[in-house]
Amino acid sequence: GAGVSQTPSNKVTEKGKYVELRCDPISGHTALYWYRQSLGQGPEFLIYFQGTGAADDSGLPNDRFFAVRPEGSVSTLKIQRTERGDSAVYLCASSLDSFWTDTQYFGPGTRLTVL
Amino acid sequence: RKEVEQDPGPFNVPEGATVAFNCTYSNSASQSFFWYRQDCRKEPKLLMSVYSSGNEDGRFTAQLNRASQYISLLIRDSKLSDSATYLCVVKINTDKLIFGTGTRLQVFP
Repeated sequence: GAGVSQTPSNKVTEKGKYVELRCDPISGHTALYWYRQSLGQGPEFLIYFQGTGAADDSGLPNDRFFAVRPEGSVSTLKIQRTERGDSAVYLCASSLDSFWTDTQYFGPGTRLTVL
Repeated sequence: RKEVEQDPGPFNVPEGATVAFNCTYSNSASQSFFWYRQDCRKEPKLLMSVYSSGNEDGRFTAQLNRASQYISLLIRDSKLSDSATYLCVVKINTDKLIFGTGTRLQVFP
């Protein structure tokens, strides 16, 4: 079946601009996660949705970052006034639910470059 | 101190070698443990979960020592296709995964 998809695969923008990154989870998965991976590092948690609501947004670095999942399926990560330090690969993952045993499946990521 | 620490490597080993990766975690409340594999410029993929009793999947063996807060991964009879970064991962709550920086493995002919 189809896995997690993310668009765009690459995004180049200028400092100060606004960007939106989209994630399509695996059909039927209620839990959705956003992570950010910088070069040479492991992914770092940003936010977790259970259904439509953000159950944990403790990883969002500041108020320039915001994410929504209005219908409990597709999610959009929004970054305002981008900074060069926001350059990273943004990974989305989904799982059937959020139990201990549920595997998180990752999408291919969006590589964001802020010039 | 990072919550999950790994030796970044790289580990360069010949085909057929046995290689072991170690990982320590700082939060004693960690409940679930995993090894993920990440190929260059690809997404992480679950390699295996790690159980207290230790578990094996073909050439891969994972061990967990809760008292020492230590996780290991052993790869026997390395293949060229095993070349990748191996990420040690813990879960404290039921939501986020906490990743180490990864250990890079390069298997050469």
